Amino acid sequence: QITLKESGPTLVKPTQTLTLTCTFSGFSLSTSGVGVGWIRQPPGKALEWLALIYWDDDKRYSPSLKSRLTITKDTSKNQVVLTMTNMDPVDTATYYCARLLWFGDLNWFDPWGQGTLVTVSS
Amino acid sequence: SYVLTQPPSVSVAPGQTARITCGGNNIGSKSVHWYQQKPGQAPVLVVYDDSDRPSGIPERFSGSNSGNTATLTISRVEAGDEADYYCQVWDSSSDLYYVFGTGTKVTVL
Repeated sequence: QITLKESGPTLVKPTQTLTLTCTFSGFSLSTSGVGVGWIRQPPGKALEWLALIYWDDDKRYSPSLKSRLTITKDTSKNQVVLTMTNMDPVDTATYYCARLLWFGDLNWFDPWGQGTLVTVSS
Repeated sequence: SYVLTQPPSVSVAPGQTARITCGGNNIGSKSVHWYQQKPGQAPVLVVYDDSDRPSGIPERFSGSNSGNTATLTISRVEAGDEADYYCQVWDSSSDLYYVFGTGTKVTVL
C-alpha cells in the first residue's frame, strides 16, 4: 500500500519561511521513473502545481514561484521537503504531496497525501 | 505557459451521462489525466493517459482526447460521483511542466 502524508505548521506569519515534509511509504524515490511533487489548493480554488523532485534528484519548479521554492529529498528517510520563503496571505492553501509516475511523455500523480492546510496570517 | 480550460460546472441527473471537457491548444498531442476530488478530500486519479483507468476505478469512467479537447465521460452517474474534476497534462515545451485544468464541479441533480 502506498501512502503519503504531509506535515508542517498550520499557521505561519507573513514573511516567514514555510517548511513542509512529505513522508511516504510503499515506494522508493530511488526507483527509476518515480518522483514526488507538491501541489496546493487555495480555499475554493483550483489545483496549482508547485515543485517536483525526480528519482535522479532532478528538480522542477513552477516558474511563478521558482525564486521562493526549494525541494529536497532524503531517500533513506522516505521524505521530501518543500520550503517556501517570504510567505504571504495569498499563499494560504491546502498543500498536497503526491507520487509522480514518469514514463517519458506520460507523467501523472497517484496517489496523493491527505493534504495540510496552511494559513498565513499575522 | 500552457492553459487548460474546463467548464465551471456540469449538472446531470442520476443514471444519465456527464461529459466534462478540457480544452487546450493541440491537447490531442498530449497525454491527459483526470482527477476526482470530493469535498474535504484529496484528489484521486480516475483516468490516466487519456483513457486508461487505474485499478479500482469503475468502468463508468472513460476518457478521450483529440484535437483541442479532451473529455472525461461518466456513464450511469451516481450520487457518489458528485465532486470536482480536474484534467492535467505534462507540458515539456514550457516552464510550467505540470498543468492542471481550472476544474469542473459535477452536480448530481
